[in-house]
Amino acid sequence: EAGVAQSPRYKIIEKRQSVAFWCNPISGHATLYWYQQILGQGPKLLIQFQNNGVVDDSQLPKDRFSAERLKGVDSTLKIQPAKLEDSAVYLCASRRLAGNSYNEQFFGPGTRLTVL
Amino acid sequence: DAKTTQPPSMDCAEGRAANLPCNHSTISGNEYVYWYRQIHSQGPQYIIHGLKNNETNEMASLIITEDRKSSTLILPHATLRDTAVYYCIVRVDRGSTLGRLYFGRGTQLTVWP
Repeated sequence: EAGVAQSPRYKIIEKRQSVAFWCNPISGHATLYWYQQILGQGPKLLIQFQNNGVVDDSQLPKDRFSAERLKGVDSTLKIQPAKLEDSAVYLCASRRLAGNSYNEQFFGPGTRLTVL
Repeated sequence: DAKTTQPPSMDCAEGRAANLPCNHSTISGNEYVYWYRQIHSQGPQYIIHGLKNNETNEMASLIITEDRKSSTLILPHATLRDTAVYYCIVRVDRGSTLGRLYFGRGTQLTVWP
């Protein structure tokens, strides 16, 4: 089966600009996650969707970050306006079943964002 | 949330077994231990998970101590392609956090020829 797709793979912007990332999860996967990975650290969860609803966005900086998952399939993550500290890799992951099911998360290749 | 402690780096000769330790002394009885790895410039990749019993799959073996406070990931015959950051994760399954993974800094495993 096809993996999790993300685009773009790389993005360079100046601070205060806006940027959007796109994720296409594995077909049929109910749960979708967005992570932020700063250089040298492990991924940090930003937001979790189950189908098209938000399960948890407690770690999402809502003053500048937003995310949506229309129709419960593709998802976009937006940053507006970007700050220098937003430079990171943004990873999307999906999981087949929701809830307390012991199935793993599949990760995309990520989008590397550089804010100048 | 259960936290894990891993050594920041390890190395291993190609063809030898790589044994990656992880401490998770605050783990709860129904929390699973997951291992993922991340090869440079790629997303994390699932390796294996377990609850109480030792587990083995085509990639690795997972040994969990009887008190469940620590575990060891074993790559039986390491290859250069196994060079990656390995994350030991206790999966939280409470309320809205069902299925969430909390990543630490992991262990950088370097396999040398």
